Amino acid sequence: EVQLVESGGGLVQPGRSLRLSCAASGFTFDGSAMHWVRQPPGKGLEWVSGLTWNSVGVGYAASVRGRFTISRDNAKNSLYLQMDSLRPDDTALYYCARGGRYPGSGNQYYFDFWGQGTLVTVSS
Amino acid sequence: DIQMTQSPFTLSASVGDRVTITCRASQSINNWLAWYQQKPGKVPNLLIYQASILHTGVPSRFSGSGSGTEFTLTISSLQPEDSATYYCQQYNSYPETFGQGTKVEIK
Repeated sequence: EVQLVESGGGLVQPGRSLRLSCAASGFTFDGSAMHWVRQPPGKGLEWVSGLTWNSVGVGYAASVRGRFTISRDNAKNSLYLQMDSLRPDDTALYYCARGGRYPGSGNQYYFDFWGQGTLVTVSS
Repeated sequence: DIQMTQSPFTLSASVGDRVTITCRASQSINNWLAWYQQKPGKVPNLLIYQASILHTGVPSRFSGSGSGTEFTLTISSLQPEDSATYYCQQYNSYPETFGQGTKVEIK
């Protein structure tokens, strides 16, 4: 059974940092692209960042580029999101999601499994 | 970025009704489209990818169609447990983008 368990969320002041973690199990983690998707309270979904299985391909949404850093440790089956210079509009539930790929596609991903999410609240 | 626009924003239908949600892309995305279901307080769940392929375990009353810029998600016979918000997502090009969501309510 695929399991993704996020941690590291909490209440943080604007301008401060937070590091999210996602522990994966039940699938071949080092063969899978992984992503972070967020959802502000009462609002829709926004892709934040993604990373290929070997960390060669990395992408960020324009809203977080330069402030957030995605990384992974395949030996630990873990995905991370370092969030710096946090702003109130970063307040959201942050989901870790596995990138699903259609055979023969490039770095084009839908999200086939999701964690339960970890809540980040940025407020003074 | 490719913009994804869903319609309607909300819909209310009766159990057994056929329900259709539309998703339009601001430019062609071929068939690189997924649909998700999110029930209140729950995690989004993948329903369909490649515009029309049902994800494992998804009931056959759900179906997807379309290509290019216009896509539809159809529930052939609405069930009480289908009350949820539905999102489309394009993965034709970076960054992946979602529609704003369509809330389906049961009358």
